[in-house]
Amino acid sequence: GENVEQHPSTLSVQEGDSAVIKCTYSDSASNYFPWYKQELGKRPQLIIDIRSNVGEKKDQRIAVTLNKTAKHFSLHITETQPEDSAVYFCAASIIGNYGQNFVFGPGTRLSVLP
Amino acid sequence: EAQVTQNPRYLITVTGKKLTVTCSQNMNHEYMSWYRQDPGLGLRQIYYSMNVEVTDKGDVPEGYKVSRKEKRNFPLILESPSPNQTSLYFCASSFLPSGEQYFGPGTRLTVT
Repeated sequence: GENVEQHPSTLSVQEGDSAVIKCTYSDSASNYFPWYKQELGKRPQLIIDIRSNVGEKKDQRIAVTLNKTAKHFSLHITETQPEDSAVYFCAASIIGNYGQNFVFGPGTRLSVLP
Repeated sequence: EAQVTQNPRYLITVTGKKLTVTCSQNMNHEYMSWYRQDPGLGLRQIYYSMNVEVTDKGDVPEGYKVSRKEKRNFPLILESPSPNQTSLYFCASSFLPSGEQYFGPGTRLTVT
């Protein structure tokens, strides 16, 4: 089955700096890669996603890149702010006729220091 | 208000006592899932459902059952809970298989 690894497990950056979180997946059939943000005590929320036919996607300060050959994808947050502090999860999924089997990474705790 | 609701939010029970965690969404979503979240392990999918009466196993289905008799509801059933099922459980729904999943508020279950 699919296996998703995520690094680093914790990340501290100064406010205004960039943060990069990397994930690797094992199943080359995976075709959908979302990123979720979970603030302390709250539910996960989607922040950005990418499909396997796209190499990069941006949304304001957030971007995701995908390298299908190497089977890894990364989350880039620029100009970090204290409200970016949270746990971030990557996931890989095979979207097909039978639904959505998601495998999540173990998470990265990002701390943005003022 | 569009939302996913779960009940109960907190539950402490004893080994072997059957329990059901309810999940309901009011967004007419076809796709629903159950996850458990444990420290250091992220979110692990238990079961998912593509539509009424259509369900399939996720990565950690052992010890759990689900049913999807109505589009809006997707209950999680633990027939004989054990301490290793102590966890934080999330229900989620989405309109498309590759669309945003909307998570419920979570149910913290403790099995003693």
